[in-house]
Amino acid sequence: QVQLVQSGAEVKKPGSSVKVSCKTSGGTFSNYAISWVRQAPGQGLEWMGGIIPIFGTANYAQKFQGRVMITTDESTSTASMELSSLTSEDTGVYYCARALSGFGELSPFDPWGQGTLVTVSS
Amino acid sequence: QSVLTQPPSASGTPGQRVTISCSGSSSNIGSNTVNWYQQLPGTAPKLLIYRNNQRPSGVPDRFSGSKSGTSASLAISGLQSEDEADYYCAAWDDSLKEVFGGGTKLTVL
Repeated sequence: QVQLVQSGAEVKKPGSSVKVSCKTSGGTFSNYAISWVRQAPGQGLEWMGGIIPIFGTANYAQKFQGRVMITTDESTSTASMELSSLTSEDTGVYYCARALSGFGELSPFDPWGQGTLVTVSS
Repeated sequence: QSVLTQPPSASGTPGQRVTISCSGSSSNIGSNTVNWYQQLPGTAPKLLIYRNNQRPSGVPDRFSGSKSGTSASLAISGLQSEDEADYYCAAWDDSLKEVFGGGTKLTVL
């Protein structure tokens, strides 16, 4: 049973950066893509980007390009997402999610992490 | 504004059949498969249907998906109170990103 466990809630000041981690257990890490999905309060889901650990190159949504960095650490089966230049509009729950298959696809997403609430406030 | 279009709400009574639509374009639904996610209140989304009409193990066969052209649908038969949730469609877009619908809030009356 694959599980994704994310780091805890964060409160950040505008202009700062946040880094959220996602530790995978119970399955192979390297071949399966990890994506990050954001959900603003009361809003829908928004894909930020994804990475296949064995390839190491991330693919980012244009909206977040230049402000987001997704990395992996194969030694600890952990993926991380760092978002910089935070504003109040970045407040929301950030989810990591693993690709269902390990054949180079970024989606569909299964399973998901439990989510990390990031609050940006002065 | 979401790339895929879903109705914001849907409703039905227990035992009824409900469908949720998802409309896209040639660059996403028209050329790639559609996935559906269920998000119960206060929880992370869960994969419900993948590759248009496949159910992950553990998902009841009351849930089914279909796709035609640039549109897709999720059908829920034998509606139950525990089906009350938000439902999202998603697909890969040829502009190299995953796109989601805005979500449909299903209410069981």
